[in-house]
Amino acid sequence: TQLLEQSPQFLSIQEGENLTVYCNSSSVFSSLQWYRQEPGEGPVLLVTVVTGGEVKKLKRLTFQFGDARKDSSLHITAAQPGDTGLYLCAGAATDKLIFGTGTRLQVFP
Amino acid sequence: EADIYQTPRYLVIGTGKKITLECSQTMGHDKMYWYQQDPGMELHLIHYSYGVNSTEKGDLSSESTVSRIRTEHFPLTLESARPSHTSQYLCASSDRRQGAFYNEQFFGPGTRLTVL
Repeated sequence: TQLLEQSPQFLSIQEGENLTVYCNSSSVFSSLQWYRQEPGEGPVLLVTVVTGGEVKKLKRLTFQFGDARKDSSLHITAAQPGDTGLYLCAGAATDKLIFGTGTRLQVFP
Repeated sequence: EADIYQTPRYLVIGTGKKITLECSQTMGHDKMYWYQQDPGMELHLIHYSYGVNSTEKGDLSSESTVSRIRTEHFPLTLESARPSHTSQYLCASSDRRQGAFYNEQFFGPGTRLTVL
């Protein structure tokens, strides 16, 4: 069974702080996606990384795919209250996505 | 913005009732999915479909059933709801032309089901 472990599970920080969320697996994925989900809504795709070692930036968010395509990280610079939500990584495996365990981020003003 | 809709958004029903959760998408996507998610937790795939007349069971065993008679419509049915079915149900779709390599999925807003 393919598993994606995210850490930390919960993160509560002040506005302006930096943070990193990790997504780790023993399995290799053809691509890895990051989603953000707000309460009462469905997940929204943030980014897809495909190549080992790839780094993508989306404003204050930086995503990296591990060289072996088994792990990924999400770094947020100068977090804002609008970044609050559940962050989910997901690995593409055949015709399905394997979702990570999730990281709940709370950013206080 | 993705065009995928779910109704109802919230449903509170008694044990033993039959319910159908609706999911529709207007993007012409062939692939559709149903996930079950407890609050703030990971998503578990319960059903998916490659296209019309195709349905497959997901990784998490579920007593629900699905049908895919039209490309845009993928309803989920529970014949006899129980309190253990209380959860959030999320529908998603993806474009088969992406291939399994990407499989970027667009999600509906979800249905929060409570069975008393």
